[in-house]
Amino acid sequence: KAGVTQTPRYLIKTRGQQVTLSCSPISGHRSVSWYQQTPGQGLQFLFEYFSETQRNKGNFPGRFSGRQFSNSRSEMNVSTLELGDSALYLCASSRDRARETQYFGPGTRLTVL
Amino acid sequence: DQQVKQNSPSLSVQEGRISILNCDYTNSMFDYFLWYKKYPAEGPTFLISISSIKDKNEDGRFTVFLNKSAKHLSLHIVPSQPGDSAVYFCAASGDGTASKLTFGTGTRLQVTL
Repeated sequence: KAGVTQTPRYLIKTRGQQVTLSCSPISGHRSVSWYQQTPGQGLQFLFEYFSETQRNKGNFPGRFSGRQFSNSRSEMNVSTLELGDSALYLCASSRDRARETQYFGPGTRLTVL
Repeated sequence: DQQVKQNSPSLSVQEGRISILNCDYTNSMFDYFLWYKKYPAEGPTFLISISSIKDKNEDGRFTVFLNKSAKHLSLHIVPSQPGDSAVYFCAASGDGTASKLTFGTGTRLQVTL
């Protein structure tokens, strides 16, 4: 079956702009999580959505937000972009049963100039 | 506060030998641990996991060991192959699912001929 897909794969924005990233989970997966990967910090958890509700949230400012649709597709939005937001943004999906693993998409590379 | 630590940023091993990647954690609430492999420009790929009720889990060339008293886990790859060259992340969860993972900063493994 198809894996997790993320669009776009690459994005260049300038400071102050906003951006929306999209994630389509594996069919049947209801949990979608977002992570930010930077060279210095590794992968950091942003938030998780399950059945259209944010269930978990990491330690990121309110400029980072997300949502999930009824078909489990998810979007992540970053407003008022800062240079430090340049990173690889990864989406992962799981069926959300105990001991299930997450399956990651290829990521969206965001560059803020 | 880095709750999951991979203290070796890089490791070089000869083809055919054993690769041992280490990971330490500080949060005693973690009860599920996973290892992921990541190639450049791709999302992390799940390798193997272990529940805190076990101390060893094996899958082909990959074995994960968990020492709960030391809050330490390790991934053994035997025999190492050039295709194993990648960045390896350990991750931990404290809610019985893989929906919200805390990652280490990764270890870059290079398998030489």
